[in-house]
Amino acid sequence: DAGVIQSPRHEVTEMGQEVTLRCKPISGHNSLFWYRQTMMRGLELLIYFNNNVPIDDSGMPEDRFSAKMPNASFSTLKIQPSEPRDSAVYFCASSLRNTIYFGEGSWLTVV
Amino acid sequence: AQSVTQPDIHITVSEGASLELRCNYSYGATPYLFWYVQSPGQGLQLLLKYFSGDTLVQGIKGFEAEFKRSQSSFNLRKPSVHWSDAAEYFCAVGAGDSGAGSYQLTFGKGTKLSVIP
Repeated sequence: DAGVIQSPRHEVTEMGQEVTLRCKPISGHNSLFWYRQTMMRGLELLIYFNNNVPIDDSGMPEDRFSAKMPNASFSTLKIQPSEPRDSAVYFCASSLRNTIYFGEGSWLTVV
Repeated sequence: AQSVTQPDIHITVSEGASLELRCNYSYGATPYLFWYVQSPGQGLQLLLKYFSGDTLVQGIKGFEAEFKRSQSSFNLRKPSVHWSDAAEYFCAVGAGDSGAGSYQLTFGKGTKLSVIP
C-alpha cells in the first residue's frame, strides 16, 4: 500500500498568498484527518471527515482555513490569505477501524 | 474527554541501554492506545497499538508496551536502544468509532529521545 500521500512536501510562500495542501488517503479508508504540528502547540486536530463528510471542524483556527473532500480519494486544506503564524507542518491522516495512519506532512513556511 | 500525559519531555540513554517511556491517560472506559514515532523531518509512524486482549503488545522495531488499567498507563519499552531510535515518541488515546463519525484521538506532548553512542 502506498500510504497517505501529501503534496507539496515543502512550501514557502509570501504572506497573503493562497496555499493549497493536498492529500490522498489510503485506499479503502473511510475517515480522513488534517492535523497541524507546531513547537508551541504540538499536534492539533483541524478537521475530521467520515465518508467524505466533515464531522468535526472545531479545530479549524479561523475562516481563512477551509477543507474539502470531494471524493474518497482526495482532500484539500486551503489557507487564504496565509499569515506567518500559519507556518507549521500539516499532516493528513486516514483510518479504518480506529487506527490512524499519517502522511509525511507538508512543511509550510509563510514569510 | 480523554487526555494523555507524557511526563518526560526529553530522555537521554546510552546505546545498548534499556528504555522506558511513560504515558498516562485519562478516560472513563478502556480506550484505544497507540504509540507513534516521529524522526526529524518525517511524519508519524505507528509503532504499536492496544485495543483489547493481551495487555502486553509487541510493535515494530523491537518495541513493546504494556497496558496497566489500574495505573492508567501504557508505557513503551525497548530492551536495547539503537542510535537509530533517536526520535520523538508520541502516546495517543482514541475513543469512539472512526467508521461511525464519532472518533477522537488525543496525543500527548511527546518525549524526545536522544541516544549517546
